[in-house]
Amino acid sequence: DSGVTQTPKHLITATGQRVTLRCSPRSGDLSVYWYQQSLDQGLQFLIQYYNGEERAKGNILERFSAQQFPDLHSELNLSSLELGDSALYFCASSVRGGGFQETQYFGPGTRLLVL
Amino acid sequence: QKEVEQDPGPLSVPEGAIVSLNCTYSNSAFQYFMWYRQYSRKGPELLMYTYSSGNKEDGRFTAQVDKSSKYISLFIRDSQPSDSATYLCAMSGISNFGNEKLTFGTGTRLTIIP
Repeated sequence: DSGVTQTPKHLITATGQRVTLRCSPRSGDLSVYWYQQSLDQGLQFLIQYYNGEERAKGNILERFSAQQFPDLHSELNLSSLELGDSALYFCASSVRGGGFQETQYFGPGTRLLVL
Repeated sequence: QKEVEQDPGPLSVPEGAIVSLNCTYSNSAFQYFMWYRQYSRKGPELLMYTYSSGNKEDGRFTAQVDKSSKYISLFIRDSQPSDSATYLCAMSGISNFGNEKLTFGTGTRLTIIP
């Protein structure tokens, strides 16, 4: 158990809908990272937050947004969902915001299925 | 062309064999190289990381980096059924801000046959 929690574990929704994925980092970790994992693209970095502020952006679509709250939990909002958004969404956390220099601890993921 | 290429496998080897997993990359800015292990229905976990070229050993695992060839490898000695998982390579550049993102390979699915 990495100490990172994600809810829900599974989510089934329809095209055009909006969903919110939630992540609680390990106790004491200030950075949260969001990743999308699909069979054809592998694990893709979406966005990083450090202590409430956006730190780095990856291949995140404009339909997707995220935020980190004062208690350091983070939410990833996915809107106008398309079939291609079906994937595993992982949250990871690290102590600071040092990227590679710090171990990123991954949560168990949220499996999203868009029908 | 993807920045990081990794053979997806699947790779099946008998217990006790030496396993070789590999990735190639195209971005010369990558300085840090990592291997993650991901069990089915779990998040990835960091196995090893190395900086620049050279070897690093940790128990049964050895990571090699050849920056001149843009090629990295993970060797697993005396492979065990518990090593059955998907192995992802990941790499990153370096910046003063410490916010370099990780770029992952697609992963190689490995099965160790008892």
